[in-house]
Amino acid sequence: DGGITQSPKYLFRKEGQNVTLSCEQNLNHDAMYWYRQDPGQGLRLIYYSQIVNDFQKGDIAEGYSVSREKKESFPLTVTSAQKNPTAFYLCASTHVGGNTDTEAFFGQGTRLTVV
Amino acid sequence: EDQVTQSPEALRLQEGESSSLNCSYTVSGLRGLFWYRQDPGKGPEFLFTLYSAGEEKEKERLKATLTKKESFLHITAPKPEDSATYLCAARSRMVLTGGGNKLTFGTGTQLKVEL
Repeated sequence: DGGITQSPKYLFRKEGQNVTLSCEQNLNHDAMYWYRQDPGQGLRLIYYSQIVNDFQKGDIAEGYSVSREKKESFPLTVTSAQKNPTAFYLCASTHVGGNTDTEAFFGQGTRLTVV
Repeated sequence: EDQVTQSPEALRLQEGESSSLNCSYTVSGLRGLFWYRQDPGKGPEFLFTLYSAGEEKEKERLKATLTKKESFLHITAPKPEDSATYLCAARSRMVLTGGGNKLTFGTGTQLKVEL
C-alpha cells in the first residue's frame, strides 16, 4: 500500500538534545512538507521541499533543520535552538502537476515531548 | 494574508441529528479547498477537494459544498463513528519560494456524536 510513514510515533527529548523525526513516502510524490500542530492552532508549515536536494523554510523554521537527499525521504531535526518543541509533528506529500499540486497526504504523526 | 476560519470550534450532536460545519476563507485566487478528518493522535485523512463555487462532493453521510467565500461540510444522520476533528484548508495561487502553492489550514471543528 502506498503511503507516508512517520517514525517514531512518540519521542522524548531532553533539554539541549537534537532529535530527528523520520518521514518516508512511497507515493512517488515530488513535494514533501513538515507541519507542526498545537492545540487550538491550525497546522503551521515548518519546511517544505519541491525536489530532491532543495528545500525551503516555512513560517516557523527557526530551531529546525531538514534534508532531502532522496525523493522518498524528508527527515526533520529538532535542534536545541527550538525552545518549545513539544508538539505533534506531521509530514505530508503532494504530487506536483498541471496548474497546481494535488491534495496533501499525511503520515500518522510523531508526538514529541520535552522531558 | 490568506486566512481560513472554521466554526464552530466544537459541536456535540445526538446520533441522527444532522448539522453543518463552516469554513470561511480569504485567499488570493483559490486553487482548491480541502476537507480532512483527523482522529485523536492520528494524521489528517483526506476527504474532499473542491475547486469552484457551486461544486459539491459526497461521501457516505458527508457532503461538501463551496461558495466564493465559504465551504460547508454537511453531516446527515451522523453516527458515533463520525466523531473526529474536521479540518479545512485552502490553497491559494500564491507561489511559494521554490515552487508550489501556499496551503492555509483552519483550526478545525471537533465533532462529538453521542448515542
